Amino acid sequence: DGGITQSPKYLFRKEGQNVTLSCEQNLNHDAMYWYRQDPGQGLRLIYYSQIVNDFQKGDIAEGYSVSREKKESFPLTVTSAQKNPTAFYLCASKMGAPNTGELFFGEGSRLTVL
Amino acid sequence: AQKITQTQPGMFVQEKEAVTLDCTYDTSDQSYGLFWYKQPSSGEMIFLIYQGSYDEQNATEGRYSLNFQKARKSANLVISASQLGDSAMYFCAMREGQGGGNKLTFGTGTQLKVEL
Repeated sequence: DGGITQSPKYLFRKEGQNVTLSCEQNLNHDAMYWYRQDPGQGLRLIYYSQIVNDFQKGDIAEGYSVSREKKESFPLTVTSAQKNPTAFYLCASKMGAPNTGELFFGEGSRLTVL
Repeated sequence: AQKITQTQPGMFVQEKEAVTLDCTYDTSDQSYGLFWYKQPSSGEMIFLIYQGSYDEQNATEGRYSLNFQKARKSANLVISASQLGDSAMYFCAMREGQGGGNKLTFGTGTQLKVEL
């Protein structure tokens, strides 16, 4: 079945360590997105990519980095520069226009910094 | 200013009753899209319904309907005949501009609890 796979589902990290969250899709979608969700808050956009080898910063990109070397993959690295990295991270993808712009989401990765 | 405002942090509804979740938005674009997503406790985001700014009719998908009032900039979600499985967090979101890679901006969500 087509979908978006995020791994790992749960991740623990010590302060000062970088960690990479994986996001893979087999929907043949062009655009991919990373959102962060904190308790009691909505989703905030970290980075997005509309095409391979290109990506743009979202609203809260500081302390994060991404790459888009393949259409199917959009990994997110949470660096030690991110001051408050404990959160729930959601990856999403979207087919190209014309369409409604609906996002398809993965099941999320929960990162806890100890 | 917030682009998407959901003023109800939590709502309770009895099983089989209808419930309305409020959403107001702010944009100067003429072309935009409005979305509702459901997030169960498992964390996944489930797309429910979409309304385009030029759509003249309110969107409906099964038990979900979107009460779109353009002049008031509101896009409330109506769930009819609530079921226990409807208990979840609900997010309103907006895409500004024409399709393509435009971003979705989300509200802070409403936690819905369906009671027997």
